Formats: sequence, structure tokens, C-alpha cells
Amino acid sequence: DAKTTQPTSMDCAEGRAANLPCNHSTISGNEYVYWYRQIHSQGPQYIIHGLKNNETNEMASLIITEDRKSSTLILPHATLRDTAVYYCIVRDTKTGANNLFFGTGTRLTVIP
Amino acid sequence: DSGVTQTPKHLITATGQRVTLRCSPRSGDLSVYWYQQSLDQGLQFLIQYYNGEERAKGNILERFSAQQFPDLHSELNLSSLELGDSALYFCASSAPGLGYNEQFFGPGTRLTVL
Repeated sequence: DAKTTQPTSMDCAEGRAANLPCNHSTISGNEYVYWYRQIHSQGPQYIIHGLKNNETNEMASLIITEDRKSSTLILPHATLRDTAVYYCIVRDTKTGANNLFFGTGTRLTVIP
Repeated sequence: DSGVTQTPKHLITATGQRVTLRCSPRSGDLSVYWYQQSLDQGLQFLIQYYNGEERAKGNILERFSAQQFPDLHSELNLSSLELGDSALYFCASSAPGLGYNEQFFGPGTRLTVL
């Protein structure tokens, strides 16, 4: 599976958009980009995933560059409850096993 | 609430002992995954079961074993415990079907080995 690189930490003002970047320059054609987050020792929570096109759901938007070497998770209006570690994961689902490999993630702190 | 339950919530034991962690997946989910989260290693995949059979194996020690029962609940057995086994152990489940299915994580079991 392709390796991902994320900034260690980021701050965001409450109510503003939080843009979390992820670099996955070695991603292959079959690999999806997934985002999970973990709020202080709770179980990780799925946010969104995508292959080529930009994706949006009730939680966030995922913007994937045309060459697929990087992506950005956007939380449109960050709240204090969005303070968490955000993990960008690249995974080839065709292997049949869906186990996730978490890196170090980005610790997002939403500031009042 | 993800629908995945784990028991116990906390477990304190001594080195050399054996413990069993239990996980009940969401209703209808056939896959169960076990992950370990320690301070120095981060979140590490241990093992996956699908409908009672082992599907994938990660960084699981030989002292650890798991199984998934006919009712689909799963147990993770940790034996000859060492101080370094102290960690949060998460169970996750996902729905059956082709391709990727999001994983729903339980609240975890915090194991402390003294």
C-alpha cells in the first residue's frame, strides 16, 4: 500500500474551514484514499473516501488532485468537537482484506 | 454509538497472566478486525476474521490469538503478558460485500499490565 505523509499538527479557528493535506505520491491506480479520525482515545471514525473524483458527504469534502498524488480533507465549518487526530489512508480494496494501516495522522486543534 | 461493543472497558493485570477481550460486531457485519494502539506504536492492525475464518494477519504476536464464533462475536486472547502489551485494543466490524466497506470501531478495551 502507498505511504502517506501528513503534517503532524494543525490549528483552525472555530467556524472556519479546516483544510487537512495528505501526500500520497506513490499511490497506484487501484488505491483509494480514506480518511478516518480519532477523538481522544475513542475508536476511530470513518469520514470519507474517494478514488479520483472529489467527494462530499455530511461530514466533509475530499479533494483529490488530478494526478492523485495528494488530497485535502475539508471540514467546512470546524467546531470544537472536530478536535481530533485525522488519518489519511491509502488502500487497495481489491486485495480482499480491508484492514487499515494508520500512520501518525494530523492532530487538528480547533480554537475557540 | 457505532454499534460495536467491547468488554471489558478496562483491564488491569500482572505480567505473565492471560486475558481475553471480547467484541460483538454490528448486527449483520461479518468482518471483525482487531487493532492495538500503544503510545509508541500508534494504531496497528492485528488480525481480521470474516464469517468465522481468518482473513488477514498483521503485526500480531505469537502470544496473541483470536477467533470468531458462529454468532460472529470475536475474542482476542493475550497470554504471557508483558509490560509492553499495555495498550488500547480496538475491535472494528464491517458489512459483507465486494470492495471496501467502512469499518465501525468499538470504544476499545484499555489493558494495563503491571
